[in-house]
Amino acid sequence: AQSVSQHNHHVILSEAASLELGCNYSYGGTVNLFWYVQYPGQHLQLLLKYFSGDPLVKGIKGFEAEFIKSKFSFNLRKPSVQWSDTAEYFCAVNTGGFKTIFGAGTRLFVKA
Amino acid sequence: EAGVVQSPRYKIIEKKQPVAFWCNPISGHNTLYWYLQNLGQGPELLIRYENEEAVDDSQLPKDRFSAERLKGVDSTLKIQPAELGDSAVYLCASSSQLDGEQFFGPGTRLTVL
Repeated sequence: AQSVSQHNHHVILSEAASLELGCNYSYGGTVNLFWYVQYPGQHLQLLLKYFSGDPLVKGIKGFEAEFIKSKFSFNLRKPSVQWSDTAEYFCAVNTGGFKTIFGAGTRLFVKA
Repeated sequence: EAGVVQSPRYKIIEKKQPVAFWCNPISGHNTLYWYLQNLGQGPELLIRYENEEAVDDSQLPKDRFSAERLKGVDSTLKIQPAELGDSAVYLCASSSQLDGEQFFGPGTRLTVL
């Protein structure tokens, strides 16, 4: 069955630290990849997406993600986190048409 | 542009009672989704509509859950009767493109006592 794995359920960082959140999926076909973010008290919103082309995609607020097809991975990165990045982050994979599978999420807490 | 609207935001009911959630998608979005999100987990699809047609309801527990989107715009998700295990956040999302980017509403947090 298709699945999305996010390796870290909880991450705690200090401000200015670098961030990398892991995401792996199990599906052998063509995929569209997403990272969504949910800030405290807010709804899920798109952070960035990959459809094709350059495997390094840049999103809002300084986030980027790299698609490594051979590793079935789409890790999220940010060189220097801020307190305002405290949120829950969800990796999602679209396997064709409108079928999208979400990971369990990673809760990031950034200490000021 | 107005986002996806859901109501109510919170609902507390006793088990065996019915409950209904309402969703108004972004104008022009033909695809509408209902998701269930349990604590500590990602959204799980319950049902997807293309206009007024339910095209993927394989994960909807049809013995107690039902949904409708009569005019291809607003949608209602119903649970009857509710069970303790139904306590969760129910998310509505909409999309206009085949690539899968979805726009989410704020969700309805259901607590079943």
